[in-house]
Amino acid sequence: DAKTTQPTSMDCAEGRAANLPCNHSTISGNEYVYWYRQIHSQGPQYIIHGLKNNETNEMASLIITEDRKSSTLILPHATLRDTAVYYCIVRPLSGNTPLVFGKGTRLSVIA
Amino acid sequence: EPEVTQTPSHQVTQMGQEVILRCVPISNHLYFYWYRQILGQKVEFLVSFYNNEISEKSEIFDDQFSVERPDGSNFTLKIRSTKLEDSAMYFCASNGDRSNSPLHFGNGTRLTVT
Repeated sequence: DAKTTQPTSMDCAEGRAANLPCNHSTISGNEYVYWYRQIHSQGPQYIIHGLKNNETNEMASLIITEDRKSSTLILPHATLRDTAVYYCIVRPLSGNTPLVFGKGTRLSVIA
Repeated sequence: EPEVTQTPSHQVTQMGQEVILRCVPISNHLYFYWYRQILGQKVEFLVSFYNNEISEKSEIFDDQFSVERPDGSNFTLKIRSTKLEDSAMYFCASNGDRSNSPLHFGNGTRLTVT
C-alpha cells in the first residue's frame, strides 16, 4: 500500500504556481520522496525526487519539511499541459525497489 | 533524451490466446519492471527483473505471466492464456544502477481481451 496521503483533486489557474502537498508521516530515514505525473493514459512521467534537501529542476521544485513528514511539489507557472494526476511516492534507497502508486492528486489547470 | 519504447501500442486478442508485450528499456539501465493499469484504477506493480531473473513479483503476477530478456535490448511480458480481466494498459519501466535512480516508463500497450 502507498505510504503517502494526497488530496484527491486540486484546481490551479493557468500561469499561477501549483502547490501540491503530500503527507508521508511514516517515512524512514533511507526513503526518498519521488514525484511522478500521468497525463491522460500515458505512462507515468518522472518529475523530481529528494531525500531531505529541497530540489529544483527544469520541471518543478520539491520542498521537503525538516522532519521529512511532508513535502510540496511546486510547478512555478502552470500551463494547461500540466493537467494530470500527480503521484507522491516514497521509495527506499535501493536499485530495484518498485514504486508503489497511490491514487494521486488530479490537478486541473484552468484557463 | 533516451526513452523506454513499447510495442504494440494497442493489442486486441481473444480470451484464451497468448500475448507477448514488448519493451525496449533505456540502453544502459539494469533494472526492468512491468506495471499494469486497469481503466480508472491505480497503476499496479507486476514484476521487477534484474540480472536475468525476477527480483520481486506481486500477487497479480501468477503462473499465467512470465517475463524474459531474450537479447541485450528487449524485455517481454507474456500472458499465456488471456482472460477478460487482463484487459488493461501495461507499462514497462527501467532504471539505472544508482540506488536512487528514478524509474522511467514507456507509454504503454493497451491490451483488450474480447
